[in-house]
Amino acid sequence: EAAVTQSPRSKVAVTGGKVTLSCHQTNNHDYMYWYRQDTGHGLRLIHYSYVADSTEKGDIPDGYKASRPSQENFSLILELASLSQTAVYFCASSTRGPNERLFFGHGTKLSVL
Amino acid sequence: DAKTTQPDSMESTEGETVHLPCSHATISGNEYIYWYRQVPLQGPEYVTHGLQQNTTNSMAFLAIASDRKSSTLILPHVSLRDAAVYHCILRENTGYQNFYFGKGTSLTVIP
Repeated sequence: EAAVTQSPRSKVAVTGGKVTLSCHQTNNHDYMYWYRQDTGHGLRLIHYSYVADSTEKGDIPDGYKASRPSQENFSLILELASLSQTAVYFCASSTRGPNERLFFGHGTKLSVL
Repeated sequence: DAKTTQPDSMESTEGETVHLPCSHATISGNEYIYWYRQVPLQGPEYVTHGLQQNTTNSMAFLAIASDRKSSTLILPHVSLRDAAVYHCILRENTGYQNFYFGKGTSLTVIP
Protein backbone atom coordinates (compact mmCIF):
# COMPACT_ATOMS: atom_id res chain seq x y z
CA GLU A 1 0.00 0.00 0.00
CA ALA A 2 1.24 3.46 -0.92
CA ALA A 3 2.71 5.38 1.98
CA VAL A 4 3.23 9.05 2.69
CA THR A 5 4.78 9.97 6.01
CA GLN A 6 4.80 13.47 7.46
CA SER A 7 6.82 14.85 10.33
CA PRO A 8 6.25 16.23 12.81
CA ARG A 9 2.62 15.29 13.52
CA SER A 10 2.15 18.54 15.38
CA LYS A 11 4.21 21.63 16.05
CA VAL A 12 3.95 24.85 17.99
CA ALA A 13 5.96 27.71 16.54
CA VAL A 14 6.50 31.32 17.49
CA THR A 15 5.64 34.20 15.21
CA GLY A 16 8.61 35.12 13.07
CA GLY A 17 10.33 31.80 13.56
CA LYS A 18 11.32 29.34 10.87
CA VAL A 19 9.33 26.14 10.44
CA THR A 20 10.12 23.15 8.26
CA LEU A 21 7.57 20.44 7.58
CA SER A 22 8.84 17.22 6.08
CA CYS A 23 7.23 14.63 3.85
CA HIS A 24 8.54 11.25 2.71
CA GLN A 25 6.88 8.90 0.23
CA THR A 26 7.69 5.31 -0.62
CA ASN A 27 5.30 5.15 -3.58
CA ASN A 28 7.86 5.90 -6.29
CA HIS A 29 5.55 8.70 -7.41
CA ASP A 30 6.82 11.60 -9.46
CA TYR A 31 4.34 14.16 -8.14
CA MET A 32 4.21 15.53 -4.62
CA TYR A 33 2.00 18.23 -3.14
CA TRP A 34 1.56 20.40 -0.09
CA TYR A 35 -1.96 21.43 0.92
CA ARG A 36 -3.23 23.36 3.88
CA GLN A 37 -6.60 22.96 5.53
CA ASP A 38 -8.23 25.49 7.80
CA THR A 39 -10.91 24.42 10.21
CA GLY A 40 -14.20 23.82 8.43
CA HIS A 41 -12.75 24.37 4.97
CA GLY A 42 -11.46 22.37 2.07
CA LEU A 43 -7.82 21.84 1.13
CA ARG A 44 -5.86 24.47 -0.74
CA LEU A 45 -2.72 23.76 -2.75
CA ILE A 46 0.44 25.58 -1.66
CA HIS A 47 3.26 24.06 -3.73
CA TYR A 48 3.79 20.97 -5.80
CA SER A 49 6.62 19.22 -7.58
CA TYR A 50 6.76 16.82 -10.49
CA VAL A 51 10.47 16.04 -10.39
CA ALA A 52 13.32 16.22 -7.93
CA ASP A 53 15.08 19.58 -7.62
CA SER A 54 12.09 21.42 -9.03
CA THR A 55 9.03 22.95 -7.36
CA GLU A 56 6.02 24.84 -8.63
CA LYS A 57 3.67 27.34 -7.03
CA GLY A 58 0.15 26.25 -6.26
CA ASP A 59 -2.82 28.45 -5.50
CA ILE A 60 -1.62 30.01 -2.23
CA PRO A 61 2.22 30.04 -2.28
CA ASP A 62 2.81 33.36 -0.52
CA GLY A 63 4.73 32.93 2.72
CA TYR A 64 5.85 29.40 1.86
CA LYS A 65 8.83 27.84 0.14
CA ALA A 66 9.20 24.22 -0.94
CA SER A 67 12.13 21.95 -1.50
CA ARG A 68 12.31 18.60 -3.35
CA PRO A 69 15.84 17.26 -2.86
CA SER A 70 14.92 13.75 -4.02
CA GLN A 71 11.97 11.89 -5.48
CA GLU A 72 11.05 10.63 -2.02
CA ASN A 73 11.28 13.84 -0.02
CA PHE A 74 9.38 17.11 -0.18
CA SER A 75 9.61 19.84 2.44
CA LEU A 76 7.52 22.91 3.15
CA ILE A 77 9.35 25.86 4.67
CA LEU A 78 7.88 28.82 6.49
CA GLU A 79 10.77 31.29 6.75
CA LEU A 80 8.85 33.75 8.96
CA ALA A 81 5.88 32.00 10.49
CA SER A 82 2.77 34.09 11.04
CA LEU A 83 -0.44 33.61 13.00
CA SER A 84 -2.39 33.20 9.76
CA GLN A 85 -0.38 30.10 8.93
CA THR A 86 -1.92 28.15 11.78
CA ALA A 87 -3.56 25.23 10.00
CA VAL A 88 -3.26 21.53 9.28
CA TYR A 89 -0.84 20.76 6.46
CA PHE A 90 -1.16 17.70 4.26
CA CYS A 91 1.41 16.22 1.95
CA ALA A 92 0.37 13.97 -0.92
CA SER A 93 1.92 12.07 -3.78
CA SER A 94 0.54 10.81 -7.06
CA THR A 95 1.29 9.32 -10.42
CA ARG A 96 -0.09 10.87 -13.60
CA GLY A 97 -2.56 9.55 -16.11
CA PRO A 98 -6.20 8.44 -16.32
CA ASN A 99 -6.01 6.43 -13.11
CA GLU A 100 -4.20 9.07 -11.14
CA ARG A 101 -5.07 9.40 -7.52
CA LEU A 102 -3.62 11.27 -4.57
CA PHE A 103 -2.21 9.47 -1.55
CA PHE A 104 -2.16 11.67 1.53
CA GLY A 105 -0.18 11.69 4.71
CA HIS A 106 -1.83 12.04 8.11
CA GLY A 107 -1.17 15.74 8.30
CA THR A 108 0.83 18.12 10.49
CA LYS A 109 -1.06 20.37 12.85
CA LEU A 110 0.82 23.67 13.05
CA SER A 111 0.00 26.27 15.66
CA VAL A 112 1.76 29.61 15.38
CA LEU A 113 1.62 31.67 18.56
CA ASP B 1 -12.50 27.00 -8.09
CA ALA B 2 -15.08 24.36 -7.24
CA LYS B 3 -17.21 23.24 -10.17
CA THR B 4 -19.31 20.82 -8.16
CA THR B 5 -22.28 21.26 -5.84
CA GLN B 6 -22.91 18.94 -2.92
CA PRO B 7 -25.24 19.09 0.08
CA ASP B 8 -23.50 20.27 3.21
CA SER B 9 -24.58 17.30 5.29
CA MET B 10 -26.47 14.03 5.21
CA GLU B 11 -27.45 11.50 7.83
CA SER B 12 -27.95 7.76 7.68
CA THR B 13 -28.42 4.76 9.97
CA GLU B 14 -26.01 1.87 10.13
CA GLY B 15 -26.80 -0.81 7.56
CA GLU B 16 -28.61 1.49 5.19
CA THR B 17 -27.51 2.34 1.66
CA VAL B 18 -26.51 5.97 1.27
CA HIS B 19 -26.75 8.01 -1.92
CA LEU B 20 -24.47 11.05 -1.96
CA PRO B 21 -25.33 13.42 -4.82
CA CYS B 22 -23.02 15.72 -6.75
CA SER B 23 -24.00 18.23 -9.40
CA HIS B 24 -21.49 19.30 -12.06
CA ALA B 25 -23.50 21.01 -14.78
CA THR B 26 -20.48 22.55 -16.55
CA ILE B 27 -18.33 19.43 -16.72
CA SER B 28 -16.14 19.20 -19.81
CA GLY B 29 -15.73 16.09 -21.91
CA ASN B 30 -12.29 15.13 -20.59
CA GLU B 31 -12.92 15.76 -16.92
CA TYR B 32 -12.99 12.78 -14.60
CA ILE B 33 -15.28 12.65 -11.59
CA TYR B 34 -13.36 11.81 -8.42
CA TRP B 35 -14.61 11.05 -4.93
CA TYR B 36 -12.45 11.32 -1.84
CA ARG B 37 -13.43 11.09 1.79
CA GLN B 38 -11.84 12.54 4.89
CA VAL B 39 -12.25 11.67 8.54
CA PRO B 40 -11.09 14.03 11.30
CA LEU B 41 -7.36 14.19 11.92
CA GLN B 42 -6.53 12.31 8.71
CA GLY B 43 -5.77 13.17 5.13
CA PRO B 44 -8.34 12.55 2.40
CA GLU B 45 -8.68 9.00 1.14
CA TYR B 46 -9.44 8.04 -2.44
CA VAL B 47 -12.82 6.37 -2.90
CA THR B 48 -13.39 6.06 -6.62
CA HIS B 49 -13.42 7.87 -9.92
CA GLY B 50 -14.96 7.58 -13.36
CA LEU B 51 -15.33 9.28 -16.70
CA GLN B 52 -18.56 8.12 -18.33
CA GLN B 53 -19.40 4.60 -17.22
CA ASN B 54 -20.62 3.63 -13.78
CA THR B 55 -17.84 2.16 -11.68
CA THR B 56 -17.72 -0.07 -8.66
CA ASN B 57 -15.06 -1.14 -6.20
CA SER B 58 -14.90 -2.51 -2.69
CA MET B 59 -15.75 0.86 -1.19
CA ALA B 60 -18.55 2.26 -3.31
CA PHE B 61 -20.56 2.38 -6.51
CA LEU B 62 -20.34 5.51 -8.65
CA ALA B 63 -23.36 6.22 -10.80
CA ILE B 64 -22.79 8.81 -13.53
CA ALA B 65 -25.72 10.37 -15.34
CA SER B 66 -25.85 9.82 -19.09
CA ASP B 67 -25.30 13.57 -19.71
CA ARG B 68 -22.54 13.57 -17.07
CA LYS B 69 -23.99 16.63 -15.37
CA SER B 70 -24.47 14.80 -12.11
CA SER B 71 -23.22 11.76 -10.28
CA THR B 72 -24.11 9.80 -7.18
CA LEU B 73 -21.78 7.97 -4.85
CA ILE B 74 -23.59 4.97 -3.43
CA LEU B 75 -22.35 3.45 -0.19
CA PRO B 76 -24.01 0.10 0.54
CA HIS B 77 -24.65 -1.00 4.12
CA VAL B 78 -22.88 1.92 5.78
CA SER B 79 -21.12 1.45 9.09
CA LEU B 80 -19.85 3.96 11.65
CA ARG B 81 -16.48 3.87 9.87
CA ASP B 82 -18.11 5.45 6.81
CA ALA B 83 -18.81 8.65 8.70
CA ALA B 84 -16.66 11.25 6.94
CA VAL B 85 -16.69 14.29 4.70
CA TYR B 86 -17.11 13.17 1.09
CA HIS B 87 -15.62 15.34 -1.66
CA CYS B 88 -16.74 15.26 -5.27
CA ILE B 89 -14.02 16.66 -7.54
CA LEU B 90 -13.66 17.19 -11.28
CA ARG B 91 -10.28 16.86 -12.83
CA GLU B 92 -8.65 16.45 -16.21
CA ASN B 93 -5.90 13.85 -16.13
CA THR B 94 -3.73 15.43 -18.78
CA GLY B 95 -1.14 18.09 -18.22
CA TYR B 96 -1.30 19.62 -14.80
CA GLN B 97 -4.52 20.45 -13.02
CA ASN B 98 -5.17 20.75 -9.34
CA PHE B 99 -7.58 18.66 -7.30
CA TYR B 100 -9.93 21.26 -5.81
CA PHE B 101 -11.32 20.14 -2.48
CA GLY B 102 -14.41 22.07 -1.42
CA LYS B 103 -16.32 21.62 1.81
CA GLY B 104 -17.90 18.36 0.62
CA THR B 105 -20.79 16.52 2.27
CA SER B 106 -20.48 15.61 5.91
CA LEU B 107 -22.02 12.16 6.35
CA THR B 108 -23.23 11.24 9.83
CA VAL B 109 -23.95 7.58 10.55
CA ILE B 110 -26.25 6.80 13.44
CA PRO B 111 -25.82 3.48 15.28
